[in-house]
Amino acid sequence: DQQVKQNSPSLSVQEGRISILNCDYTNSMFDYFLWYKKYPAEGPTFLISISSIKDKNEDGRFTVFLNKSAKHLSLHIVPSQPGDSAVYFCAASASGNEKLTFGTGTRLTIIP
Amino acid sequence: GAGVSQSPSNKVTEKGKDVELRCDPISGHTALYWYRQSLGQGLEFLIYFQGNSAPDKSGLPSDRFSAERTGGSVSTLTIQRTQQEDSAVYLCASSTDGYGASPLHFGNGTRLTVT
Repeated sequence: DQQVKQNSPSLSVQEGRISILNCDYTNSMFDYFLWYKKYPAEGPTFLISISSIKDKNEDGRFTVFLNKSAKHLSLHIVPSQPGDSAVYFCAASASGNEKLTFGTGTRLTIIP
Repeated sequence: GAGVSQSPSNKVTEKGKDVELRCDPISGHTALYWYRQSLGQGLEFLIYFQGNSAPDKSGLPSDRFSAERTGGSVSTLTIQRTQQEDSAVYLCASSTDGYGASPLHFGNGTRLTVT
C-alpha cells in the first residue's frame, strides 16, 4: 500500500526553465510534508517542508504547494540549474507518528 | 560538525551469512532511524529509536532483522542468514527530537549485496 506516490519516475527540464515535481498521498492523517534531494552515492538531504495549515511555502528558488482537498503537493524549482539534477523524494508524516513515509522518487535532469 | 556516519559503505556477502551495519548519528540527536532503498523503490522504513523509549520495530521485514542502539548513540543493524532480496542500500538518519516535522539527516548509506 503506497501511501505516498510520485507517479513520474523521471523528468527532464531545460536549464533556466521551471521544474515541477508532483506528489500524491492517500492518508488523510498526514499533516506535514517534506521534500528531500538525493545525489548518487549520498544520503538524501532535506530541501523544504510544509505544514498542512499552509498551502504554500517558499525558500529561494524552491516553492512547495499543498492542495489538501486533492491530497496533492508539488515542488517548483525556478530557475532550474544543472546542480538541481538529482532524485527528489516526497515524504509525509502524521502528528504523533514519528516515522516519515517516502515516495519512490523522481529523477530530475536539467539539460544545459 | 560531523554528519551521520555509516560503515561499511559497501558490503558484499554470501547468502546465508550474517551482516552488521553500523551508524554513528549526529551528536546530540535523540532520534535515530533506519531505512532501506531497494533498486527502483522508495525509502522503506525499518526501525526508529527515540531516547530511552522502546524502539518502533514495525518496519522490520522479518525476524532475521534486528537493531540496537547503545548508550543512546551508535546503532547497529543486524541481518541474520542474509537472502538475495536483502540486497539494498541501508540508510541511517538522525534528528534532534524525532518529531515528524524535524528534518532527518541521513548518512551516505551502506550498499549491501547478497550473492
